[in-house]
Amino acid sequence: GAVVSQHPSRVICKSGTSVKIECRSLDFQATTMFWYRQFPKQSLMLMATSNEGSKATYEQGVEKDKFLINHASLTLSTLTVTSAHPEDSSFYICSAPSLPRDGYTFGSGTRLTVV
Amino acid sequence: AQSVTQPDIHITVSEGASLELRCNYSYGATPYLFWYVQSPGQGLQLLLKYFSGDTLVQGIKGFEAEFKRSQSSFNLRKPSVHWSDAAEYFCAVGAGQAGTALIFGKGTTLSVSS
Repeated sequence: GAVVSQHPSRVICKSGTSVKIECRSLDFQATTMFWYRQFPKQSLMLMATSNEGSKATYEQGVEKDKFLINHASLTLSTLTVTSAHPEDSSFYICSAPSLPRDGYTFGSGTRLTVV
Repeated sequence: AQSVTQPDIHITVSEGASLELRCNYSYGATPYLFWYVQSPGQGLQLLLKYFSGDTLVQGIKGFEAEFKRSQSSFNLRKPSVHWSDAAEYFCAVGAGQAGTALIFGKGTTLSVSS
């Protein structure tokens, strides 16, 4: 079935540094990738939608200059958290449409801790 | 507005007892409906999905869900809960089109007592 590989699974970084999260579709082409954020004991909130070869669309309240999304190929989308701060600590997870079989395929998530 | 409501924040069920988790949605288009389970610190696992056809869908781990269009509901059920079922459960709705993201409910935490 469709697989989205997300790396890293866990990352700890110092405040002020940048972190890049990668999501690769392994056996299908992901023209669209959704990026979600999940704070502890909360639900998944959509941050942005990336489309291959075009600019990402950000949800209201999400800083596009802080969360840089690149979707340069049909199999790779990246999220870069720039100048990370402790309040950016969260679980980030990507998802690509994978119809008709599963509907959507999720990566395994990245636990970001900013210290 | 498009939304998913899971009315129960936390449910405790005795091991071996039956379970029903509620999900109501508001969606303009024909919905694609999903239930996911998440264990602490883990990613999402798809339990089952409804796209069309038979409104009673079977999923993994003995779960099933019934789509009721008239009630805008997609409740998750299991006849006999196991201690390993303790986790967070999310209901989600989408349009099934490539450019449309899933909308998630706030989740229901299931605890299983012995």
